[in-house]
Amino acid sequence: GNSVTQMEGPVTLSEEAFLTINCTYTATGYPSLFWYVQYPGEGLQLLLKATKADDKGSNKGFEATYRKETTSFHLEKGSVQVSDSAVYFCALSGQGAQKLVFGQGTRLTINP
Amino acid sequence: DAGVIQSPRHEVTEMGQEVTLRCKPISGHNSLFWYRQTMMRGLELLIYFNNNVPIDDSGMPEDRFSAKMPNASFSTLKIQPSEPRDSAVYFCASSLARNEKLFFGSGTQLSVL
Repeated sequence: GNSVTQMEGPVTLSEEAFLTINCTYTATGYPSLFWYVQYPGEGLQLLLKATKADDKGSNKGFEATYRKETTSFHLEKGSVQVSDSAVYFCALSGQGAQKLVFGQGTRLTINP
Repeated sequence: DAGVIQSPRHEVTEMGQEVTLRCKPISGHNSLFWYRQTMMRGLELLIYFNNNVPIDDSGMPEDRFSAKMPNASFSTLKIQPSEPRDSAVYFCASSLARNEKLFFGSGTQLSVL
């Protein structure tokens, strides 16, 4: 079945550092890929998405590129801020399917 | 728009009691999802509805769990009887049918003692 594997956390960085959170997936066909973010005490929010190979999703300085050859969708940001502290979830939806499969989540803490 | 509204925000109950969690999806959304989040198992899909009809309940852990959606603006998740291992954060989410962006509520933190 479809599955998502994320880099284990927690991840702690200093402000303005470069961020990478790894995500790889297993799926049949051509899934859509997502990153969701969960701030403390809140539900998840969509951060960015990509629906086909080589697509790059971007939002709020975050980027992720759909790499079919490596089945990956790594999240990157060039300069993180304290306000980026949250839990980040990689997810996929199978081709033609509606439900999302989420990774375990990666807790990110940014220190000033 | 008020977003997806869940109630209560926190629920503390004793083992064996019935628990009912409530969700109001975003107006106009045709799909509704119930997720459970725990440290050990992460985020798990329990059940989802399209146009008020349950489509996939394969994630419901056992018969103690049931979910209903009597109309387009309301859904409940019921646990009867509750057990300590049911302690988790339960999220409701909604989306436009076939639109993959989910909008999540703030969740219900359930503690079963």
